[in-house]
Amino acid sequence: NAGVTQTPKFRILKIGQSMTLQCTQDMNHNYMYWYRQDPGMGLKLIYYSVGAGITDKGEVPNGYNVSRSTTEDFPLRLELAAPSQTSVYFCASSYRFSGNTIYFGEGSWLTVV
Amino acid sequence: AQTVTQSQPEMSVQEAETVTLSCTYDTSENNYYLFWYKQPPSRQMILVIRQEAYKQQNATENRFSVNFQKAAKSFSLKISDSQLGDTAMYFCAFMREQGAQKLVFGQGTRLTINP
Repeated sequence: NAGVTQTPKFRILKIGQSMTLQCTQDMNHNYMYWYRQDPGMGLKLIYYSVGAGITDKGEVPNGYNVSRSTTEDFPLRLELAAPSQTSVYFCASSYRFSGNTIYFGEGSWLTVV
Repeated sequence: AQTVTQSQPEMSVQEAETVTLSCTYDTSENNYYLFWYKQPPSRQMILVIRQEAYKQQNATENRFSVNFQKAAKSFSLKISDSQLGDTAMYFCAFMREQGAQKLVFGQGTRLTINP
């Protein structure tokens, strides 16, 4: 079972560059999320989606964009990368029922230099 | 807004001992969910245990159990017979019952099990 798959796993970006973190899930989950984890900290929600075509901001959305054109895919776009975006990024998904288990991808390590 | 606080940045115990990790949270909601996640060095997020706020009975999963005190807004994790493989970061997390299932995480506790 693939679950939640993120690519790339590692990436080094230069300041001002842009990139897209890809996320796909094969569990037919309605909800998908992007979190970031800074060193020594817990995860913080960047954006989330409750279904195809519907996205909303989380706690730390600045500098990011998302889209949800299909149930399976939820890419995260970084525009004009800054050192403050150096972090580990986690994509996650879940069924829409309240309190359901959230399944996480393995994380994408991004360094902006 | 909800907040989750883990007051123990690091803990260390000997193998086979019992260890308790603390978590407090702040919310005005009456119904919600609480979780403990384990994050080993691989960085994978692994669900350890979950608790529904409307349930008075504390959740248990094998060697893992919680002490849920709703009035005190406290949600501690007890690991019995600790094993080397329990070495990891542990995160407490809160989820509202209503709306999108957004997790609010604490800062984490780094647990080391020594042989």
